[in-house]
Amino acid sequence: AQRVTQPEKLLSVFKGAPVELKCNYSYSGSPELFWYVQYSRQRLQLLLRHISRESIKGFTADLNKGETSFHLKKPFAQEEDSAMYYCAPPWMWYFGTGTSLTVIP
Amino acid sequence: GAVVSQHPSRVICKSGTSVKIECRSLDFQATTMFWYRQFPKQSLMLMATSNEGSKATYEQGVEKDKFLINHASLTLSTLTVTSAHPEDSSFYICSARDRDLGSPLHFGNGTRLTVT
Repeated sequence: AQRVTQPEKLLSVFKGAPVELKCNYSYSGSPELFWYVQYSRQRLQLLLRHISRESIKGFTADLNKGETSFHLKKPFAQEEDSAMYYCAPPWMWYFGTGTSLTVIP
Repeated sequence: GAVVSQHPSRVICKSGTSVKIECRSLDFQATTMFWYRQFPKQSLMLMATSNEGSKATYEQGVEKDKFLINHASLTLSTLTVTSAHPEDSSFYICSARDRDLGSPLHFGNGTRLTVT
């Protein structure tokens, strides 16, 4: 079955520490994947898409076909990064549990 | 960028009444829109998929007669909560995607429904 999983439901890091939110997929071929973010009291929004290979708010995500992963990384976490993060392909409009990131001041 | 407008943002209604929530794609045509329900500190739960010009597809456990969905045009989908009860109080979110199947979802700001 085609699946995308985020193994960590909750993740806490200290401000200034590196952060990595994990996303694994289980289908073959060339996947397209997005990272969405939902800040407190704001709408869910697109953060990154893998084909753009850009850095948004200091976050990057690299597609690793060998490990079938699309982990979201930031070298120095900021308090404003605290939010819910969801990894999903364009054909999936179900959302898993996501990962709740808390950056501790 | 693509914008989805959801209205109202907050609504309070009495038990037994009906409430309509609108979801509009402002600068793109959305053949498919999605309706979600979100409980505090939890993920979005897909309620139904709304297809323009056809009946909505409801997820298991979602009452189609209670949550009426209409997608009459390529830019508008509505969710009507009929005969609302306090347990229907929740945060309802819509999303839309344009015709490009590889494009991301664009989300509305959500509607906080409180049934008294």
